[in-house]
Amino acid sequence: DQQVKQNSPSLSVQEGRISILNCDYTNSMFDYFLWYKKYPAEGPTFLISISSIKDKNEDGRFTVFLNKSAKHLSLHIVPSQPGDSAVYFCAASAEASGTSYGKLTFGQGTILTVHP
Amino acid sequence: DAGVTQSPTHLIKTRGQQVTLRCSPKSGHDTVSWYQQALGQGPQFIFQYYEEEERQRGNFPDRFSGHQFPNYSSELNVNALLLGDSALYLCASSSLGIAPLALHFGNGTRLTVT
Repeated sequence: DQQVKQNSPSLSVQEGRISILNCDYTNSMFDYFLWYKKYPAEGPTFLISISSIKDKNEDGRFTVFLNKSAKHLSLHIVPSQPGDSAVYFCAASAEASGTSYGKLTFGQGTILTVHP
Repeated sequence: DAGVTQSPTHLIKTRGQQVTLRCSPKSGHDTVSWYQQALGQGPQFIFQYYEEEERQRGNFPDRFSGHQFPNYSSELNVNALLLGDSALYLCASSSLGIAPLALHFGNGTRLTVT
């Protein structure tokens, strides 16, 4: 049962253009969402997060949008840079349940390649 | 300030054997979580340790067990290894009382079962 899905295994973008990575979830208990970036031979690193009480959160070139009714979130990277090439994971948590203790449910990941 | 460190980086074991993986959390963190990442998949939650106790467990069999020590470091043990246990095992630490979701991941241990 894949509760968090990233349906695009890969995305290729030209440097300077916008990268849009998508994520869908099925568990209505999820109320906190995060994006992680992973380079080869390294562990995932936190990128940006959003609480379900918001529909948008920005941090520099990165913006995450949340559509609760559609159970969909997206990560926008503008402008994209070659150094952004990595695997991007969407993750979700059910914090309001009071029992998650920070347990994250991850999607399968999307490989982003930014061409110079 | 050292981040999360895991050892060993790579490991090859034979089916049926037992393995122990180790993790030292980031300085100031008191909670350790373990994740399994199979090839082409996202990390899957195995369990989490806080105050030397297992606080939550994912959908993994009892062959997977762990331990947390008084210095907050942790071990993941897997008994009776199966070929399907081949994966990257990630340790993540956080501070439960301050920012439980601010996970810092180590670089992982690549386990190959033959």
